[in-house]
Parts: sequence; structure tokens; C-alpha cells
Amino acid sequence: GAVVSQHPSRVICKSGTSVKIECRSLDFQATTMFWYRQFPKQSLMLMATSNEGSKATYEQGVEKDKFLINHASLTLSTLTVTSAHPEDSSFYICSARDRRDRADSGYTFGSGTRLTVV
Amino acid sequence: GDSVTQMEGPVTLSEEAFLTINCTYTATGYPSLFWYVQYPGEGLQLLLKATKADDKGSNKGFEATYRKETTSFHLEKGSVQVSDSAVYFCALKGQAGTALIFGKGTTLSVSS
Repeated sequence: GAVVSQHPSRVICKSGTSVKIECRSLDFQATTMFWYRQFPKQSLMLMATSNEGSKATYEQGVEKDKFLINHASLTLSTLTVTSAHPEDSSFYICSARDRRDRADSGYTFGSGTRLTVV
Repeated sequence: GDSVTQMEGPVTLSEEAFLTINCTYTATGYPSLFWYVQYPGEGLQLLLKATKADDKGSNKGFEATYRKETTSFHLEKGSVQVSDSAVYFCALKGQAGTALIFGKGTTLSVSS
């Protein structure tokens, strides 16, 4: 089946540094990547939607200059958390849409990245 | 806008008990409905789906029926196992290419 590889699975960084999270679709072409953030005991909050070769569309309240999303190819999308602070600590998950997507298709999720900013 | 409401957890059951996790939705048109499962420290895995009224999705002993008249998609399993302990998310998708909209998730804990 479709697989999305997300790395790193865990990262600890110092406050003020930047962290890059990668999501790769291994056996399909991901025309769209959805980036979510999950707080403890809470649901997934959609942060942004990125289409290959286009600028990402951010949800209301998400700082686009802090959360830089790049989707330069059909198999790779990255999320960079810039100048990270402790409040950015969270679980980040990507979800890829296959170019053969239909209305009844579910999307494939990465395994998530646990970011801890100290 | 579209939304999904799930019963609040946690749900704690003994092995072999019957499970129901309620899910209702609000949407324009005819969305597709999904249940995803998340094991500790992992991403989400698609458990089952249904795409139109009266469709029943099933997988690994779990079932859910798309009820348009009650706008519901309740998850059921006749006999849970310890390995079913996880967080379960109900989700809808309005049309192709749009992001999934999730409920808040329900934590299931099964003890032996």
C-alpha cells in the first residue's frame, strides 16, 4: 500500500533554532500534502495545505513565516519550524494526497514527528 | 462549515466487551466518512470508510454504517482485544482534494 515516510520521528532542539521535518511519498506521487499539528489529548489541527510547485495555503491563525512549507516535488514536502520556542513543542503529522485521489479515498499519513523545544 | 463530533473518552473496557464510539457530522453535500486509528507515538492508519448512505465499512472486526438520516457514523466492535487500545478518530472528506476534517478523537483502553 501507499507509504509516507516522515523524518525525524523525534527531535529536541534549543529555543531559537530551526527544525526541518520531511515527508516523502515512497510509492506514489503526492500532488498535495496536508500538515497537521496535534496537541496532547486533542485532535489534529490542519495547519496548511501544499500543492506541488505552488505556495502553501495556511489555515487561519497559523504563522506562515514561522512554519515554512516547501513542496518542490511530487514525492517530497518539508515543514520547517523557524526560531522554535517551547510553545511550538507538539506532534506534527503530514498526510499525502495521491494524484489519483477520489472523493472516497482516504489519505496516507506519515508516522509523525515529536518536536520538543527546550 | 463541515464538522465532526465524537463522544468524549476515555473509554475503558475489559477484553471481549462490546465497543461503540459515537460519531456525528455536519456537512453540506454528501461527504465520505472515515475512521482512523492512532497507536501511541505513531501516525494515523485508515481503519475503514464509507462513501454513501447506508454503506457499511468494516475492517479487523470493526464496523460503521453511514446513516444519512441521523448524520452518524458510529464505530462498533463486538469483542475488543487489548491490542485495540488506541485513539480512534472519525473524519469526513467533502470532496476530492480537500483536507480531512477530524473529530477530537476517543481514547480506548482495553484491559485483560
